[in-house]
Amino acid sequence: GAVVSQHPSWVICKSGTSVKIECRSLDFQATTMFWYRQFPKQSLMLMATSNEGSKATYEQGVEKDKFLINHASLTLSTLTVTSAHPEDSSFYICSAPTSGNEQYFGPGTRLTVT
Amino acid sequence: GENVEQHPSTLSVQEGDSAVIKCTYSDSASNYFPWYKQELGKRPQLIIDIRSNVGEKKDQRIAVTLNKTAKHFSLHITETQPEDSAVYFCAASMHTGNQFYFGTGTSLTVIP
Repeated sequence: GAVVSQHPSWVICKSGTSVKIECRSLDFQATTMFWYRQFPKQSLMLMATSNEGSKATYEQGVEKDKFLINHASLTLSTLTVTSAHPEDSSFYICSAPTSGNEQYFGPGTRLTVT
Repeated sequence: GENVEQHPSTLSVQEGDSAVIKCTYSDSASNYFPWYKQELGKRPQLIIDIRSNVGEKKDQRIAVTLNKTAKHFSLHITETQPEDSAVYFCAASMHTGNQFYFGTGTSLTVIP
């Protein structure tokens, strides 16, 4: 299957700082990527759809000024958590669909805000 | 929008037995239905998928069935093994590049 990488795999930051997470499709191009948040023992919650060359589409209840998304190229999308707080601690996962609509996930980023 | 429901939320089976997980969807426009396996702390892995023009698909011990009329699809795992223990998610999607709507997940435990 297709490969999606995500960096970093885990990060610890202090409250009030910003954290950037990168999502890359390694062997295919993705005009769209998705960002999810997952709490322990729960399903994947879609946060936003990242669109190459245009603004991201945010799901209801997700603050776009807090979770900045930039789809810089056909293989890279970034999620920046601004002014992070402890309640932002979570597992963040990106995914990218191939031309056949199979969606492949990155390995996830474990964010801990102290 | 699409609503995907998944049952059961937890499932325990003896090694060697079969496991069945069921999902329903609400939007008849959905045409792609993947199943993902997620082990603790890891990414969801695509294990099998089915498109709306097919009623059943099988890959070794895993099979998926789709009933478009009833809007439900199921994952069947035969001859379960302890390494099958994980959380399984179903999903539905309408068009290429569109978002996936995920079920709430099923935690499967295979007892040796």
